[in-house]
Amino acid sequence: NAGVTQTPKFQVLKTGQSMTLQCAQDMNHEYMSWYRQDPGMGLRLIHYSVGAGITDQGEVPNGYNVSRSTTEDFPLRLLSAAPSQTSVYFCASSYISQGGYTFGSGTRLTVV
Amino acid sequence: KQEVTQIPAALSVPEGENLVLNCSFTDSAIYNLQWFRQDPGKGLTSLLLIQSSQREQTSGRLNASLDKSSGRSTLYIAASQPGDSATYLCAVRTGANSKLTFGKGITLSVRP
Repeated sequence: NAGVTQTPKFQVLKTGQSMTLQCAQDMNHEYMSWYRQDPGMGLRLIHYSVGAGITDQGEVPNGYNVSRSTTEDFPLRLLSAAPSQTSVYFCASSYISQGGYTFGSGTRLTVV
Repeated sequence: KQEVTQIPAALSVPEGENLVLNCSFTDSAIYNLQWFRQDPGKGLTSLLLIQSSQREQTSGRLNASLDKSSGRSTLYIAASQPGDSATYLCAVRTGANSKLTFGKGITLSVRP
């Protein structure tokens, strides 16, 4: 099993550009989520989904969009990148009933 | 609102020492608690998952305990090795469909 796969691993964007961070899992997990990790701030939830067609906001949703058209995929879209979105982004998934999370290896994003 | 605290932020110990990493949380109505390890520049690796009905979990040299009533968990590492050097994160899940709330982690350095 590949687990949770994130692409790309690294990305540099210019302010105002848009991009999509990809996340895919092959464990048939219902729950998927996106976190950002910043020095001194820890891991903060951006958006999450409890199943295909259902998404909701986390702590820091502004500037990000998500959709969940399939169980496997949960892309994160930055519509107009800002330097404040420079961060490391992690995608995670879990079964709702068992509750243990599996994390992807992360995407390191720099906005200049 | 759930808050998770890990103190101290950093710890340095000599090789071979048994050590305890502490985690405290404010809302005792948790679904489960998970300990992760993060190496520099890498993703999160799950170490141990403790369901709310459990008191402890063990994996090799690692043992995690959970005391919901006092809002505390400890991660015990036996006979520490330089390869154990990493950041250890504690995270609690409140409710089957809810997010993980993370502590800011303890950065452990094991000196040869």
